[in-house]
Amino acid sequence: QSVLTQPPSASGTPGQRVTISCSGTSSNIGSNTVNWYLQLPGTAPKLLMYSDDQRPSGVPDRFSGSKSGTSASLAISGLQSEDEAVYYCAALDDSLNGPDWVFGGGTKLTVL
Amino acid sequence: QVQLQESGPGLVKPSETLSLTCTVSGGSVSSGSFFWTWIRQPPGKGLEWIGYIYSSGRTNINPFLKSRVTISIDTSKNQLSLRLTSVTAADTAIYYCARGRSGWLGSKPYNWFDPWGQGTLVTVSS
Repeated sequence: QSVLTQPPSASGTPGQRVTISCSGTSSNIGSNTVNWYLQLPGTAPKLLMYSDDQRPSGVPDRFSGSKSGTSASLAISGLQSEDEAVYYCAALDDSLNGPDWVFGGGTKLTVL
Repeated sequence: QVQLQESGPGLVKPSETLSLTCTVSGGSVSSGSFFWTWIRQPPGKGLEWIGYIYSSGRTNINPFLKSRVTISIDTSKNQLSLRLTSVTAADTAIYYCARGRSGWLGSKPYNWFDPWGQGTLVTVSS
């Protein structure tokens, strides 16, 4: 069971806006920044968003991130077929005796 | 452009030791600006952070795995290694190595893993 909670699935049609949520606690999202990783089928995860809302170079501005309290969100506007992938959120965790980094269970995005 | 490539046995027997190597090209593991991490993903499941190492040799390991995990770095070969002892079927996973970086963006901290290696599947079975 993952420390961060994500919906297992999400879907949208081309051109639509989709939002993926990530819920945590005061020891992780509540006190640290959130990253998002994108995993296309059969490939390694790739950094998509860091420090809550920063896009690495090369990531289209269709992708945006936000955070409020102990929850974070990834929004994808102008949905495209190539956005079909699994999206993971991640954050540092300050819990005593726990792992430094924790991940969400992943959200599989389907473009209908 | 930095690239990472994991290598090692794809099949390990229960109770034995899993040993993997990650070879870095296009960059140096000696760079003090980065750390190097191992992450695993059981088939069809989510990601689990295993641990990281700096070029100085300083490590930090997931407490849930600490008693069984050793991470080391060989700057002469530009490689990092993972050793996991007393494996069970629960250790069956795709194992990834990745480059990490932490710092500050103005007043906001950042930390990320990028890039990742392609991953290597390790199956624990007799």
